[in-house]
Amino acid sequence: DAKTTQPPSMDCAEGRAANLPCNHSTISGNEYVYWYRQIHSQGPQYIIHGLKNNETNEMASLIITEDRKSSTLILPHATLRDTAVYYCIVRSTLKTSYDKVIFGPGTSLSVIP
Amino acid sequence: SAVISQKPSRDICQRGTSLTIQCQVDSQVTMMFWYRQQPGQSLTLIATANQGSEATYESGFVIDKFPISRPNLTFSTLTVSNMSPEDSSIYLCSVDPTGVTPEAFFGQGTRLTVV
Repeated sequence: DAKTTQPPSMDCAEGRAANLPCNHSTISGNEYVYWYRQIHSQGPQYIIHGLKNNETNEMASLIITEDRKSSTLILPHATLRDTAVYYCIVRSTLKTSYDKVIFGPGTSLSVIP
Repeated sequence: SAVISQKPSRDICQRGTSLTIQCQVDSQVTMMFWYRQQPGQSLTLIATANQGSEATYESGFVIDKFPISRPNLTFSTLTVSNMSPEDSSIYLCSVDPTGVTPEAFFGQGTRLTVV
């Protein structure tokens, strides 16, 4: 089962920041938080991941709370092309065994003109 | 990054028949995964395929229905056997270049319709 909970849907105005929350209260010390998104009819696309520090790349920022029980994905200036289902996933990267990527229902983000 | 090619991209099949989906990766990878995405749903992991060993199936999926081959480090196939309309889904291949990059990569999927 997925170890995360997310709101099923969110709306965001075009040009504004989209803040997508995720709860992962049972995360363990060796598990990272990953975010993927799936645009309609395409395969999931990796966005960002982090362990405990905040992370930023060209696509998004990831804010992880100090207790690591929740995180927020931030799309700083949402565009219509950001309309997609966003999946928050916790995943071990110990590399000692295969690291299955288990998807929950995700958040369907609609960016509105 | 890893580039994944899946074939076919879509197909319409008669019930009772079987379809084999191919997944080709542009680099050698240890782990390959097969997922199913039913209409309007999230992705569900079917099985993990490692080269040189039998695939490991998740609860609710069996080898007789979804046989998997993994002949080398760049290729895998998933067969959907004795299809029924309930098998109509998108089937996706994923790879995890463990130790190279931190993320898993996904193919664009095979959209299967069973009539």
